[in-house]
Amino acid sequence: AQSVSQHNHHVILSEAASLELGCNYSYGGTVNLFWYVQYPGQHLQLLLKYFSGDPLVKGIKGFEAEFIKSKFSFNLRKPSVQWSDTAEYFCAVRRGFGNEKLTFGTGTRLTIIP
Amino acid sequence: EAGVVQSPRYKIIEKKQPVAFWCNPISGHNTLYWYLQNLGQGPELLIRYENEEAVDDSQLPKDRFSAERLKGVDSTLKIQPAELGDSAVYLCASSPPGDTQYFGPGTRLTVL
Repeated sequence: AQSVSQHNHHVILSEAASLELGCNYSYGGTVNLFWYVQYPGQHLQLLLKYFSGDPLVKGIKGFEAEFIKSKFSFNLRKPSVQWSDTAEYFCAVRRGFGNEKLTFGTGTRLTIIP
Repeated sequence: EAGVVQSPRYKIIEKKQPVAFWCNPISGHNTLYWYLQNLGQGPELLIRYENEEAVDDSQLPKDRFSAERLKGVDSTLKIQPAELGDSAVYLCASSPPGDTQYFGPGTRLTVL
């Protein structure tokens, strides 16, 4: 069974700092990769996704992620964070191309200090 | 476009009582998922439906949990009887074929 690791449980940054959140997965076959965000009091929302093609994907609000197959990683980045980026971030993996379940990491809580 | 709708948003019950959660997916999404999210954890799948058929219920504790999606649209998840350890957020998601899963706001269950 696949698993997803998010090693940063809580990250605290000042506004304008650069962000990188780590995500590693364990499945060796074809995968689809996702980053979801949960703002305080809101539901899970898709930030970005990778299915195939260019391993550098861009999402909403200036976020991007890079799929490195050899490292089984899909790290999330943003060059300059804002206070409004304070949220919980979840990395998720899905096997293959169908409607399989998402396997989530435990999440990273991001706190941005104004 | 309306998102995934769930009700109730919050539910507080005493242990051994029954409880039910309802989900209405995004129109046209044939695949519906129920996930369980414990505090400090990512969501974990309970059951997946393709139309009205449950195609993955391997993680559903069938001694006390049940689910249905009779007409292939909205779905109900039931717990009977509830235990203290069932306190969590129950999330519903839906997706078009092979695409992104869209999540509802969840039902936060507290069992006393």
